[in-house]
Amino acid sequence: QSALTQPRSVSGSPGQSVTISCTGTSSDIGGYKSVSWYQQHPGKAPKLMIYDVSKRPSGVPDRFSGSKSGNTASLTISGLQTDDEADYHCCSYAGNYSFVFGGGTKLTVL
Amino acid sequence: EVQLVQSGAEVKEPGESLKISCEGSGYSFTSYWIAWVRQMPGKGLEWMGIIYPGDSDTRYSPSFQGQVTMSVDKSISTAYLQWSSLKASDSAMFYCGRHLFGSSGYYSDYWGQGTLVTVSS
Repeated sequence: QSALTQPRSVSGSPGQSVTISCTGTSSDIGGYKSVSWYQQHPGKAPKLMIYDVSKRPSGVPDRFSGSKSGNTASLTISGLQTDDEADYHCCSYAGNYSFVFGGGTKLTVL
Repeated sequence: EVQLVQSGAEVKEPGESLKISCEGSGYSFTSYWIAWVRQMPGKGLEWMGIIYPGDSDTRYSPSFQGQVTMSVDKSISTAYLQWSSLKASDSAMFYCGRHLFGSSGYYSDYWGQGTLVTVSS
């Protein structure tokens, strides 16, 4: 299956909100309530930020929220902080024990 | 504390074989899937597949089927990813993740620190 489509980069100023989109198809994002988002700082392992479209693991600030509409999922980060600057990857279940990632989005906090 | 600890960086020549590892601790290793993910330099994450340590059920992404082999040794809570004949294009960072699959959700909640594989002559 093809990778999910994410913008290559987004940016925002401290305190602002940004939204990162992740577009797939009816065979992945549109077909399941199983989208997850991962934050990855340079040289570090991915960190789970959102699962099941909109749920936050313990310890993830409520500034991070997720949603889905049709074949597009979104990650919104409000009250941007400098430490939010990182790459963000979306992932969706695509059926038959398979998953697909997006190409990743670099968030710059200006 | 849940931890996944991966083996160290490897430098190999084309044609060589390689097996990297991912040791889980702090949880019931046989009750969660292990996912493997590739990240080529400067690129995004790629789903390689998952293996269930409880019964070694393994599911590969079509892109990686036949290119790698996943296995586990549940006696030492360790999962493996191996290549029989490396190519330069296999150079990448590889991550393992504890993966939930089923009624509990579909995501990786803990990750190893990554193993960098460099294949060069």
